[in-house]
Amino acid sequence: EVQLVESGGGLVQPGGSLRLSCAGSGFTFSGYPMHWVRQAPGKGLEYVSAITTDGSGTFYASSVKGRFTISRDNSKSMVYLQMGSLRIEDMAVYYCARGGRGSYDYWGQGTLVTVSS
Amino acid sequence: QSVPTQPPSVSGSPGQSVTISCTGTSSDVGSSNRVSWYQQTPGTVPKLIISEVYNRPSEVPNRFSGSKSGNTASLTISGLQAEDEADYYCCSYTTSLTYVFGTGTKLTVL
Repeated sequence: EVQLVESGGGLVQPGGSLRLSCAGSGFTFSGYPMHWVRQAPGKGLEYVSAITTDGSGTFYASSVKGRFTISRDNSKSMVYLQMGSLRIEDMAVYYCARGGRGSYDYWGQGTLVTVSS
Repeated sequence: QSVPTQPPSVSGSPGQSVTISCTGTSSDVGSSNRVSWYQQTPGTVPKLIISEVYNRPSEVPNRFSGSKSGNTASLTISGLQAEDEADYYCCSYTTSLTYVFGTGTKLTVL
């Protein structure tokens, strides 16, 4: 069974940093691009970032470019999102999702990031 | 980066059909067949219901179908059921090598 489990969310002050983690299991992790998608409270889905299977390619939404960094460790079946210079508008549930063929076929349960002073 | 536009809400009675549009540009929806659709009920994780414009995962009922013409993709739900009441989002690959979600549509089953 494919599983994605996020962790690392929490309360952080504006300007602060946080690292999210996502553990994958039940599939060949190194064979899939991985993505982060977020959803602010009561709002729609927003693409955040993606990373290729071997980690050589990384992609970001313009809203987070230069502040967030995605990475992966295929030996541990993990993908990470390092978030810096956090803003109020970054507050959201962050989902880890498995990519491939232009869609997200499996999603984690999400981890909540709260940005507040 | 522009966001594909969806109607904020649509509604239909049980048994009827509804269509949700997703209008983008030649830089996203119109640029490739990497258009997908997701269903999300309150408090749950989004669920993939259509990939690559019209492909349906095996567990998704065949009442759900997708299509695309130019810069507009569409999701049609036929034989509407109460359980279909949810938020629906389109998602498209872009020429910037990123993805973009549509604005989202709330489907109400009357």
